[in-house]
Amino acid sequence: ETVLTQSPGTLSLSPGERATLSCRASQSVSSRYLAWYQQKPGQAPRLLIYAASTRATGIPDRFSGSGSGTDFTLTISRLDPEDFAVYYCQQYGSSRTFGGGTKVEIK
Amino acid sequence: QVQLQESGPGLVKPSGTLSLTCAVSGGSLSSSSWWSWVRQPPGKRLEWIGEIYHDGGTNYNPSLKSRVTISVDKSKNQFSLKLSFVTAADTAVYYCARNLPPIFGVVFDAFDIWGQGTMVTVSS
Repeated sequence: ETVLTQSPGTLSLSPGERATLSCRASQSVSSRYLAWYQQKPGQAPRLLIYAASTRATGIPDRFSGSGSGTDFTLTISRLDPEDFAVYYCQQYGSSRTFGGGTKVEIK
Repeated sequence: QVQLQESGPGLVKPSGTLSLTCAVSGGSLSSSSWWSWVRQPPGKRLEWIGEIYHDGGTNYNPSLKSRVTISVDKSKNQFSLKLSFVTAADTAVYYCARNLPPIFGVVFDAFDIWGQGTMVTVSS
């Protein structure tokens, strides 16, 4: 099973700042099979990025994804108040797994 | 716009069977998508349970495979989850989700549509 480790666990930033979230895999992941989600309290996850760098329908261009192999990054260029949430990465290999999440909180 | 809605008992006794249904509206379950169940124990990470195609083909998380059955009812446009021999560790919010359909014939892997989730507690 591929383990996804997200860092940092919590990111304290102010609106307008840049957020950089990391997702590291225990073995190589195909870029086609790496996705990022946003989850707010009491809500279902929302797909942000698939194929490591492709924004899902309706996702603002301040969200971008990059990376390959075992290291992937989600970047939020300028934090909007609505962006404070928990973010998860997810991969598909022999099975599907999710990372432990990064909480982006207001500083 | 496709929407998903989970339903089922919110409380299940230990060693019993958890049964949930996901109703698909605004689209056909018989499209070119797989349909999944994902759960999230309180304060923990998301866990993929398994998936089904409209022809009945299934794939399960190896860690749960011995206890999971996912089935489809095309006449009702819904799919279901059964998880047997449950324990407190199976207490979680259970989501149904649509696997992202192929785009121009290319298969990616992500869940693009989610139900609102339903909390299931395992307790006597």
